[in-house]
Amino acid sequence: GIQVEQSPPDLILQEGANSTLRCNFSDSVNNLQWFHQNPWGQLINLFYIPSGTKQNGRLSATTVATERYSLLYISSSQTTDSGVYFCAVREAGNMLTFGGGTRLMVKP
Amino acid sequence: DAGVIQSPRHEVTEMGQEVTLRCKPISGHDYLFWYRQTMMRGLELLIYFNNNVPIDDSGMPEDRFSAKMPNASFSTLKIQPSEPRDSAVYFCATQATALAGFSYNEQFFGPGTRLTVL
Repeated sequence: GIQVEQSPPDLILQEGANSTLRCNFSDSVNNLQWFHQNPWGQLINLFYIPSGTKQNGRLSATTVATERYSLLYISSSQTTDSGVYFCAVREAGNMLTFGGGTRLMVKP
Repeated sequence: DAGVIQSPRHEVTEMGQEVTLRCKPISGHDYLFWYRQTMMRGLELLIYFNNNVPIDDSGMPEDRFSAKMPNASFSTLKIQPSEPRDSAVYFCATQATALAGFSYNEQFFGPGTRLTVL
């Protein structure tokens, strides 16, 4: 099956800093989603982005499908950004395959 | 819309007991997925339904696990008998197809059920 790798696995930021999270996948995909799992465990949809670039406030994402990677940018990080960020892809059918996540801690 | 609703939010039970987890999908969504999250294995798909019909249950760990979707508004995941290694967070997620007029192909997750089997 498809492999999804996220980097870095862990990230510590000072509040106000910017960061880039990366998601690499091993095969062509027709769906890619970014999620934020907050400290309470809830999975929150950030982006549905099989290709191109999208922005939502301080967050933006870019997927280059031909090169099999996606990037999530967080600007001016806040403590509420802490949690785990997951990339999930779908190559066929409707099943999402999740990466291992990037655990982010933003310090005040 | 209230989003995907799961119950209970927390469940603590003893080994050997039957456990039933419940999910109410977003109205109009025709796909429903059950996932399990553990520290060791991360997020893994157990089974998914389309229009109430199970499509792929290859992720169901063993016969102790079963899932049903009797109608478009309700699904259950049952573990009988439960074992300590079943302790995990179980998520339900739903998705709409393009014809439904929603943001299709995007999966939305419920808050999860944290199961502890003693």
